This record gives sequence, structure tokens and C-alpha cells, in this order.
Amino acid sequence: AQSVSQHNHHVILSEAASLELGCNYSYGGTVNLFWYVQYPGQHLQLLLKYFSGDPLVKGIKGFEAEFIKSKFSFNLRKPSVQWSDTAEYFCAVKGDDKIIFGKGTRLHILP
Amino acid sequence: IAGITQAPTSQILAAGRRMTLRCTQDMRHNAMYWYRQDLGLGLRLIHYSNTAGTTGKGEVPDGYSVSRANTDDFPLTLASAVPSQTSVYFCASSETTIDTQYFGPGTRLTVL
Repeated sequence: AQSVSQHNHHVILSEAASLELGCNYSYGGTVNLFWYVQYPGQHLQLLLKYFSGDPLVKGIKGFEAEFIKSKFSFNLRKPSVQWSDTAEYFCAVKGDDKIIFGKGTRLHILP
Repeated sequence: IAGITQAPTSQILAAGRRMTLRCTQDMRHNAMYWYRQDLGLGLRLIHYSNTAGTTGKGEVPDGYSVSRANTDDFPLTLASAVPSQTSVYFCASSETTIDTQYFGPGTRLTVL
């Protein structure tokens, strides 16, 4: 069975700072990887996903993530964050027949 | 297109009572899921259904049951609610088990 770990539980940044949120997974086979975002008071929505091909995936709102197979990682990045990026971010991995979510990282952007 | 709807939006329930959380999707997705979201624990899968007529257990299935009589509906039942089931419950669906999941607005349940 697969598992997923997000290292940062709570991140505070100032506007225009660069962002990288860590995500590592464990699974021996082929995986599908996702990042979801939950803005305050809203439900989860997809930021980006990796199924195959180019390991650098670009998503909505300027986010990107890089799949590094040798490190079992799928870190989320954004070069310059905005106050509106304040949200909780979830990494998810699908290895066998269901998707497992990480515990989430709360991102707080200071205006 | 409504997407996924959940009902009720919130509920306060006495311990020991039976409760069914409703979830309906109009996207004709094959797969549906129930998660609970708790502070510090993220999203945990309760039960899932890969297609109508089938269900499976997730990470935290105890105390919950589901049914999938048709494609659109995936109700979650708490047979005898306990305070530890206080949580926010999200229903989700995806076209197949490897596709993007679309989430409902959630049900905030408090068990006293």
C-alpha cells in the first residue's frame, strides 16, 4: 500500500517570497500524483497532477511540481506567492486502487 | 451542472443516534469516495466505490457504512454515532479511479 508524507505542517511567508512544499511518497510501482488546494471555507480543488511524461508539471495559478522518481518526491513550487495563496495544500498519491492524501500544509501569506 | 451536492450542510447529533450523510453527483462518474477531514490529520478515506454496485474500505472505515445502488448516489451512514466521529465529511467523485477527484462542499457533523 502506498503512503504520502508532507513535511511542513504550517508555513508562513511574505508576499513575493518563493514557495516550496515538500511531498514524499512510498510505493514500489507506478504512481499518479496530485496536489489539491483548499481555500478558506471552500472545498478541495485540483492544482495539478502527474500521470506520465514530462516530470515537471504546471498547474493553475502559477504553481508547478516536479516528480523526482529517485527521491520519491513531488514537491510543489511557486516562484512568487500572493496573499490569495493562503490555503491548505494536500499532496495525494495513487498507487494501487485508491488515492491517499497527505496530512496537509497550511500556508499563510502575510500581506 | 451542479457537480456534487452533499446534505445536510451541518448537523449536531446526539451520541448513539443513527445518521445518514447524503452525496449526489450529476457527472456520471464511476468512482465515488467519502473522506473525513480533521485538524492535523488531513483527509482520511472512509469508504470508496469504484463503480455502482461495489464498495471498498478505506483507512478509517469502522463505525461507517456505505451503499452504491446507482451511479449518482453514495450515502454514508453512521449506525450509532460517537463523539470521535465529529468531523467535516467530504464526498468526492472521479470519472475513473485514476482521474482527478471533484469534491463536494462538505458536511460539518458534531456528535455530542
